[in-house]
Amino acid sequence: DVKVTQSSRYLVKRTGEKVFLECVQDMDHENMFWYRQDPGLGLRLIYFSYDVKMKEKGDIPEGYSVSREKKERFSLILESASTNQTSMYLCASSLSGANTEAFFGQGTRLTVV
Amino acid sequence: GQNIDQPTEMTATEGAIVQINCTYQTSGFNGLFWYQQHAGEAPTFLSYNVLDGLEEKGRFSSFLSRSKGYSYLLLKELQMKDSASYLCAVRDDTGGFKTIFGAGTRLFVKA
Repeated sequence: DVKVTQSSRYLVKRTGEKVFLECVQDMDHENMFWYRQDPGLGLRLIYFSYDVKMKEKGDIPEGYSVSREKKERFSLILESASTNQTSMYLCASSLSGANTEAFFGQGTRLTVV
Repeated sequence: GQNIDQPTEMTATEGAIVQINCTYQTSGFNGLFWYQQHAGEAPTFLSYNVLDGLEEKGRFSSFLSRSKGYSYLLLKELQMKDSASYLCAVRDDTGGFKTIFGAGTRLFVKA
């Protein structure tokens, strides 16, 4: 079974803090993604990566950065957390190819106070 | 740009059939996915369509019309456990591959 593991299920951080969300997959997938999910807005793509050290902006990259130093790990960084970044964050991975399904982690519910 | 529309909520009765529609506009279409997401859980893959027509997989079927920018997910013999959100997602290869999700349709199955 493919496993995508996110380091925390719930996080509470203060405004201005630097926040790291970690994601690890164990199936040697080339592609990795970070989404945030908000009621009424669905999943919105923040960043994605199709190879080690490669990254591409998604639809809402502002206020975020990412790091992919190893194939299995994709980190999302909030440089200075703000209250509008309170959300559910979902990591996903997939093989390369158009018809490959994405496998999701369980999500991290981040609250910024 | 991309745009994906699907109804916000639907209600259906156990044992019935329900059709969840999805319309999309995208410039680099390369396939459409349906995912199921139970409350508090991660989305899980249901189906993938890239050619026009119907794909059947047990109680679930998915249809695609590329010329109309339209898809639907058909759920037969509804069960209570089918109460979940159903996410339509489009693969867009403009400027690099990415999968864009709709806001999801919350399906309530009642006895």
